[in-house]
Amino acid sequence: GAVVSQHPSRVICKSGTSVKIECRSLDFQATTMFWYRQFPKKSLMLMATSNEGSKATYEQGVEKDKFLINHASLTLSTLTVTSAHPEDSSFYICSARDRKTGETQYFGPGTRLLVL
Amino acid sequence: KQEVTQIPAALSVPEGENLVLNCSFTDSAIYNLQWFRQDPGKGLTSLLLIQSSQREQTSGRLNASLDKSSGRSTLYIAASQPGDSATYLCAVSLHQTGANNLFFGTGTRLTVIP
Repeated sequence: GAVVSQHPSRVICKSGTSVKIECRSLDFQATTMFWYRQFPKKSLMLMATSNEGSKATYEQGVEKDKFLINHASLTLSTLTVTSAHPEDSSFYICSARDRKTGETQYFGPGTRLLVL
Repeated sequence: KQEVTQIPAALSVPEGENLVLNCSFTDSAIYNLQWFRQDPGKGLTSLLLIQSSQREQTSGRLNASLDKSSGRSTLYIAASQPGDSATYLCAVSLHQTGANNLFFGTGTRLTVIP
C-alpha cells in the first residue's frame, strides 16, 4: 500500500530557530502534497498545497514567509518553520496524492513540534 | 465555506456494543467523504471513502453511510473492541475544488471499555 513518512517524528527547539520537516512518499510518486496543522483536541486545518516543481498554494491566514514549503521532487516535500515561536508548537501532518490513482490522500504519521 | 461537525465529541462504550458516530456538513456539493482513524499522537488511517454518488461503504465491522442531500454521514461500528479506541475523523472534499482540499470535522474520541 501507499506509505508516506515524515521526519522527524518529534522535535524540540528553542524560540527563534528554524525547523525543517520532511514528507516522503515511499512507494509512489506524488505530484501534490498537503500540509496540515492540528492543535490539541482540534481538527486538522489545511495550511498549504504543494505541487511538484511549482510554488505552494497557501490557505488564508497562513504566512508564506513563516512556513516555507519546497516540493523539489515527486517523492519529497519539506516544510520549514522559520524563526519558530512557542505558538508554532503543534502537530504537523502531511499527505500525498498518488500520481496514478489521483484522488486518495495518504497521510504521514505526523511531526510533533515543541518550541520552548 | 464548508463546515464539518461531528457528534458526539467523545463516547465511551463497553466492549461488544454496536455504536454510531455522526458527521454533518453544511455544503452538500461534495465530491466524496472519508472516515479516518487517528490514534493518540499519530497520523491518520483512512477507513472508508464514499463517493458522492454512493450511499454506503462497508469494510469488516465498519459501515459508513452517506446522505448527501441532508448533509449527513454515519459510521457504524459493530461489536466494538478495545482496539477500536481512537479518534474518528470525517472529512469531505468539495466538487468545486475537486479532491484537492479536505475539510475535517473535529472528531469523535471513542473509548471501548474492556
